[in-house]
Amino acid sequence: GDSVTQMEGPVTLSEEAFLTINCTYTATGYPSLFWYVQYPGEGLQLLLKATKADDKGSNKGFEATYRKETTSFHLEKGSVQVSDSAVYFCALSGGNDYKLSFGAGTTVTVRA
Amino acid sequence: EADIYQTPRYLVIGTGKKITLECSQTMGHDKMYWYQQDPGMELHLIHYSYGVNSTEKGDLSSESTVSRIRTEHFPLTLESARPSHTSQYLCASTVGTGAYEQYFGPGTRLTVT
Repeated sequence: GDSVTQMEGPVTLSEEAFLTINCTYTATGYPSLFWYVQYPGEGLQLLLKATKADDKGSNKGFEATYRKETTSFHLEKGSVQVSDSAVYFCALSGGNDYKLSFGAGTTVTVRA
Repeated sequence: EADIYQTPRYLVIGTGKKITLECSQTMGHDKMYWYQQDPGMELHLIHYSYGVNSTEKGDLSSESTVSRIRTEHFPLTLESARPSHTSQYLCASTVGTGAYEQYFGPGTRLTVT
């Protein structure tokens, strides 16, 4: 079945550092890929998405590129802020059953 | 911005009580979901619905039940709350076309004492 593996946390960074969170997936067919963010005490928010190979999703300075050859969708941000402290989830939609498969989540803490 | 609401946001209740967690969305989405989020933040699908009068159990076994009488409303009920039910519960919905991204409510933090 479909599955997502993402980098274990927690990740602690200083402000203005570069952030990468690795995400790889296993799926049949051509899934859509997502990154969600969860701030403390809130639900998940869609951060960005990509629906086909080589697509780049971007939002709020975050980027991720759908790499079919490496089955990856790594999240990157060039200069993090304290406000980026959150839990980040990688997810995929196989498109057959309207469900999402989520990674385990990566907790990111950015220190001033 | 997604229009999906959950009430209450926080609930502390004693063992044995019956509780209902409310979830409503104003987007007209057919497909709705309930997730349980454990302390390690991992998400577990416990129930889903693909339309009115349609409900299914998710990947994680749960003692809760759900109903879907109206498109916009997807409540979750625990007949007899136990401390093991203490968790964060998240409701989500999707339009079911395109990439099938799901939109989440703010969650209900349930504590059973």
